[in-house]
Amino acid sequence: GQQVMQIPQYQHVQEGEDFTTYCNSSTTLSNIQWYKQRPGGHPVFLIQLVKSGEVKKQKRLTFQFGEAKKNSSLHITATQTTDVGTYFCAGPKYGGGSNYKLTFGKGTLLTVNP
Amino acid sequence: NAGVTQTPKFQVLKTGQSMTLQCAQDMNHEYMSWYRQDPGMGLRLIHYSVGAGITDQGEVPNGYNVSRSTTEDFPLRLLSAAPSQTSVYFCASSFNRQGAGELFFGEGSRLTVL
Repeated sequence: GQQVMQIPQYQHVQEGEDFTTYCNSSTTLSNIQWYKQRPGGHPVFLIQLVKSGEVKKQKRLTFQFGEAKKNSSLHITATQTTDVGTYFCAGPKYGGGSNYKLTFGKGTLLTVNP
Repeated sequence: NAGVTQTPKFQVLKTGQSMTLQCAQDMNHEYMSWYRQDPGMGLRLIHYSVGAGITDQGEVPNGYNVSRSTTEDFPLRLLSAAPSQTSVYFCASSFNRQGAGELFFGEGSRLTVL
């Protein structure tokens, strides 16, 4: 079945350094979503990518969707302590009929040393 | 706006006890789902619903029951709790089918089964 793999599992950086997390799917995805979960909090939607090769930016965050729509990345430029948290990618898995199930990667925990 | 409301936030059960985790949303979303989050495992889908009266299984449905009698509510029932069900549970809702748009998560319910 479809799996969404995410690496690295953990990343510790010094404040001001860049950070990247990668997401890979065993099957082609119709789209991919990214979520952020602060420690002790709940996942919060960041963005959805739909088109092959799509690149979207949100301030210091850059999201990419691969040409084959099997991989994606999230890059943070010049990390800040407010970036601390776990970043998840998620892709829809066909569940039969018109149903889809959103499958999450295991997440990348980012810690930032001030 | 309330969004997605989960109760209780914390619960301790003994093995074999039953309980219901409540979830309510006030956004008139058709799609609702339950996830569990365990360390290093990401978010795993338990059950989901595409509308009132319609539910389906996710990745890890065993030991859990759901029903959807109204658009607003989607309770998760544990009939006979087991230590393996110790986890943080998140309810989520969306306007579109899973994967087609933003998931809105509740704040989570932390369950410990002794």
